[in-house]
Amino acid sequence: DAKTTQPPSMDCAEGRAANLPCNHSTISGNEYVYWYRQIHSQGPQYIIHGLKNNETNEMASLIITEDRKSSTLILPHATLRDTAVYYCIVRVGGFGNEKLTFGTGTRLTIIP
Amino acid sequence: DVKVTQSSRYLVKRTGEKVFLECVQDMDHENMFWYRQDPGLGLRLIYFSYDVKMKEKGDIPEGYSVSREKKERFSLILESASTNQTSMYLCASSQWYEQFFGPGTRLTVL
Repeated sequence: DAKTTQPPSMDCAEGRAANLPCNHSTISGNEYVYWYRQIHSQGPQYIIHGLKNNETNEMASLIITEDRKSSTLILPHATLRDTAVYYCIVRVGGFGNEKLTFGTGTRLTIIP
Repeated sequence: DVKVTQSSRYLVKRTGEKVFLECVQDMDHENMFWYRQDPGLGLRLIYFSYDVKMKEKGDIPEGYSVSREKKERFSLILESASTNQTSMYLCASSQWYEQFFGPGTRLTVL
């Protein structure tokens, strides 16, 4: 699976959009981009994933560049409950390939 | 509501003891995983299982074994606990693209 690079920490004001970048310059054509987050003292939680197209769900939006070498997770209206460590993960999709490799992620702090 | 439960939130054991960490999921998922999480190292995969009685080594299997006798239960075993196995242990299950995690067990080996 391709390696990802994320900033170790970020701050965002409450109510503003939080934009979390991820670099995955060695991604291959059949690898998906996944985002998880881990709130303190809890297990990680799935947020969103995508292959080529931008994706949106009730939690967030995922913007993947055309060359797929980087992506941005957007939390449109950050709240204090969004304070967490966010992990960007790249892996091959499909049945039998559910293994995930977590890095150290980005610690996002929402400022009141 | 989907659920992954782990037998203990906190556990303290002595060096050399045999330790069992239990994980149960109620979602009828095929795949189950054991990770450990340490400061500065993120989550690292220890073992995973795609089906009952099947297991695959993850990135750091040394010092651990696993058991999956029933679909819903995946056990992590420390045959002889050592202090460097003091860590947070997280279990997860998945069926397709999303892994569901338990709350974790913080194990301290003295």
